Amino acid sequence: EADIYQTPRYLVIGTGKKITLECSQTMGHDKMYWYQQDPGMELHLIHYSYGVNSTEKGDLSSESTVSRIRTEHFPLTLESARPSHTSQYLCASQTLQGWETQYFGPGTRLLVL
Amino acid sequence: GENVEQHPSTLSVQEGDSAVIKCTYSDSASNYFPWYKQELGKGPQLIIDIRSNVGEKKDQRIAVTLNKTAKHFSLHITETQPEDSAVYFCAASVWGNQFYFGTGTSLTVIP
Repeated sequence: EADIYQTPRYLVIGTGKKITLECSQTMGHDKMYWYQQDPGMELHLIHYSYGVNSTEKGDLSSESTVSRIRTEHFPLTLESARPSHTSQYLCASQTLQGWETQYFGPGTRLLVL
Repeated sequence: GENVEQHPSTLSVQEGDSAVIKCTYSDSASNYFPWYKQELGKGPQLIIDIRSNVGEKKDQRIAVTLNKTAKHFSLHITETQPEDSAVYFCAASVWGNQFYFGTGTSLTVIP
């Protein structure tokens, strides 16, 4: 059973607000990921990190930013939320060892009004 | 980069019947292929995975087959039950590096 947590689970917020989506894992995994999942359920990689102080942008352009100051923590921040940011955000983690799976958190469903 | 195609996008089966979901990939270097099940309101959960050094793997009612030559892999669920209803994703990866996901299959098992 994977131990990866996301908070909040649901968030309704007005346009222009700054928000931070939290993701934590207790497995000591070096790799962590953020995906955006659209209503059609397709997963799009927006950010990833292979360790502390390492962050990269994914395939899908995103106005969000991430940080990795601690191994277990990988928060995602939107400086100014817009309705186009409405989506489900999934966090995942993975060991550095090859041929291993990614473990997903329960997701944060964001609605920007 | 890698391109993963998944079919069908929706699948309805009668309880007790089998369900098959197929994925193709483009990068011959891909060697790790996980399958995830996502239930409503939850994140994807790994149900089975296969590495390129084997052609088939089975876990109770779930099996995955891999054809490296044709670059496709399939998920087989036998004796389906209503609790199998969910969205299923395939993915391809090179040594567990960046995962490329299929677009998902919504499976409905009709009691």
